[in-house]
Amino acid sequence: GQQLNQSPQSMFIQEGEDVSMNCTSSSIFNTWLWYKQDPGEGPVLLIALYKAGELTSNGRLTAQFGITRKDSFLNISASIPSDVGIYFCAGPGVQGAQKLVFGQGTRLTINP
Amino acid sequence: DGGITQSPKYLFRKEGQNVTLSCEQNLNHDAMYWYRQDPGQGLRLIYYSHIVNDFQKGDIAEGYSVSREKKESFPLTVTSAQKNPTAFYLCAVSRGRLNQPQHFGDGTRLSIL
Repeated sequence: GQQLNQSPQSMFIQEGEDVSMNCTSSSIFNTWLWYKQDPGEGPVLLIALYKAGELTSNGRLTAQFGITRKDSFLNISASIPSDVGIYFCAGPGVQGAQKLVFGQGTRLTINP
Repeated sequence: DGGITQSPKYLFRKEGQNVTLSCEQNLNHDAMYWYRQDPGQGLRLIYYSHIVNDFQKGDIAEGYSVSREKKESFPLTVTSAQKNPTAFYLCAVSRGRLNQPQHFGDGTRLSIL
């Protein structure tokens, strides 16, 4: 089946640093979703992307839909302590199945 | 996400016991999903339903059962056949149309006594 590979698996940064993470697929996606999960909570949708090349921002977060349609990127600028958590990318599975495929997540830790 | 209620927040199961996790939504969305998350892992799909009285197996359905008798409710039963049930269980809903995002409840953590 389709797989999503997220990179890096974990990040340890200083408060105030910018963060970049990416997600690659073995096949073409026509939607990319980025979620954040706080400990003990459910994932919350951050950004949804629907068109190749699309660049969308949500506050300090910016996500891009790769031109090849096989990848997506999430950037966080000027990180703050509440950015700590696990970031997941997701995309639709087999066309028409209306299921999502999730990456393994990128765990972000911030040192104050 | 508001509008999706999972209960209980914590649940303990004895050996050989079936337990049922509740997921209720007031968003009037058609599709509902159950995922399992293990420590340090991503989300794995257990079951999903796109319409009342119909549901489909996901990637790890063995040892689980569901029902969808009402649009707003999609309970998950963890049966005694599931030998490793300790995990964080997440319910999600979506409008059910292709490429629509899923929105998640706050999860139920199931542990074995």
